[in-house]
Amino acid sequence: DTGVSQNPRHKITKRGQNVTFRCDPISEHNRLYWYRQTLGQGPEFLTYFQNEAQLEKSRLLSDRFSAERPKGSFSTLEIQRTEQGDSAMYLCASSWTVDLFFGEGSRLTVL
Amino acid sequence: RKEVEQDPGPFNVPEGATVAFNCTYSNSASQSFFWYRQDCRKEPKLLMSVYSSGNEDGRFTAQLNRASQYISLLIRDSKLSDSATYLCVVKGYGGSQGNLIFGKGTKLSVKP
Repeated sequence: DTGVSQNPRHKITKRGQNVTFRCDPISEHNRLYWYRQTLGQGPEFLTYFQNEAQLEKSRLLSDRFSAERPKGSFSTLEIQRTEQGDSAMYLCASSWTVDLFFGEGSRLTVL
Repeated sequence: RKEVEQDPGPFNVPEGATVAFNCTYSNSASQSFFWYRQDCRKEPKLLMSVYSSGNEDGRFTAQLNRASQYISLLIRDSKLSDSATYLCVVKGYGGSQGNLIFGKGTKLSVKP
């Protein structure tokens, strides 16, 4: 399967714990995006990389959130000191032009 | 005003019906427009881009009205398999060149 891969698919954690999600994009895609989606809402933009450079960050991305793409390939999204409001599906997408190809997402539940 | 607004529906239609979804966007400088489809508990997938002149892909027709900042999607002869949420998407503008902004989506349910 050469699509966008995300791990873990599901994560249940207690409030205050740190969590990290990983995204492996389609190999030839230079752009990588993180979105967050809650029930009944469309995906909300979090951040965007072109190669290893993080070019945009949403104001939604508090200082508890950090994303990296160290070698311009895979990316990680870390959430520190999780809160119940962080419970959501975290979607990664990659692209070469404008069309986004999404992974299946990582569902986070904060108890 | 939200950046991208859609009627959330749900739209419940019988098989074979024609259904139209509308979407408005707030910034006139937006350059690129898309419709994505999202099945229940699945990731969004690109359905079609929206071009200024309007474009058609089989039973699907997308149109853009820049003056009114309005995008539409028309589905003709709807099938059971068209049941999904349809997301209107606008490419960022100004400093937001990279990101795509999604509407909340319009839910379509096609019944036999």
